[in-house]
Amino acid sequence: EAQVTQNPRYLITVTGKKLTVTCSQNMNHEYMSWYRQDPGLGLRQIYYSMNVEVTDKGDVPEGYKVSRKEKRNFPLILESPSPNQTSLYFCASSLVGSTGPNQPQHFGDGTRLSIL
Amino acid sequence: AQTVTQSQPEMSVQEAETVTLSCTYDTSENNYYLFWYKQPPSRQMILVIRQEAYKQQNATENRFSVNFQKAAKSFSLKISDSQLGDTAMYFCAVLRSGTYKYIFGTGTRLKVLA
Repeated sequence: EAQVTQNPRYLITVTGKKLTVTCSQNMNHEYMSWYRQDPGLGLRQIYYSMNVEVTDKGDVPEGYKVSRKEKRNFPLILESPSPNQTSLYFCASSLVGSTGPNQPQHFGDGTRLSIL
Repeated sequence: AQTVTQSQPEMSVQEAETVTLSCTYDTSENNYYLFWYKQPPSRQMILVIRQEAYKQQNATENRFSVNFQKAAKSFSLKISDSQLGDTAMYFCAVLRSGTYKYIFGTGTRLKVLA
């Protein structure tokens, strides 16, 4: 089954304790992206990756890191989490056409992070 | 900066009726891609419909259709014969051609009433 898998689904942690949210897709998609969803703000793009070893900042990258060492995986790293990073996080992937990742994105089921 | 505006935070519609969700965007590009995604209470993000800006014909997927007005930078979603399962948050999104950045609107929460 084609899918984007995020782990964990839920996490409660404390300020400053490094954490990683994993994301894996089995569709051989070039494009992968992380979003955070907050009430009244919709989805905001954190980082995206066009292919292996190629990443770039979205609109809200502060406090986050990513890596793309393999095509299927795109982990999101919070080196020193703070309460303002409490949010619902989504990973997504899609194919890349000649003009960009214009095919629909496949989303993971989301990760609810609470930073105390 | 590129923006996407969904001016209706909440809407409701009677089952079997038709409802239209609005979306306007701001871009200087001539070619881009527009999407509507649905997020039911299960919080999954599901593609509803996709429109390519260089295509004048409005996209349609079963009960879902769009009214794409390029000059007005408007991309509204029409849901016909609304069903209880259409209850969800709906997000409009724009991808500029040649870029890899998505911009999402703030969402419209739709409730279908029995």
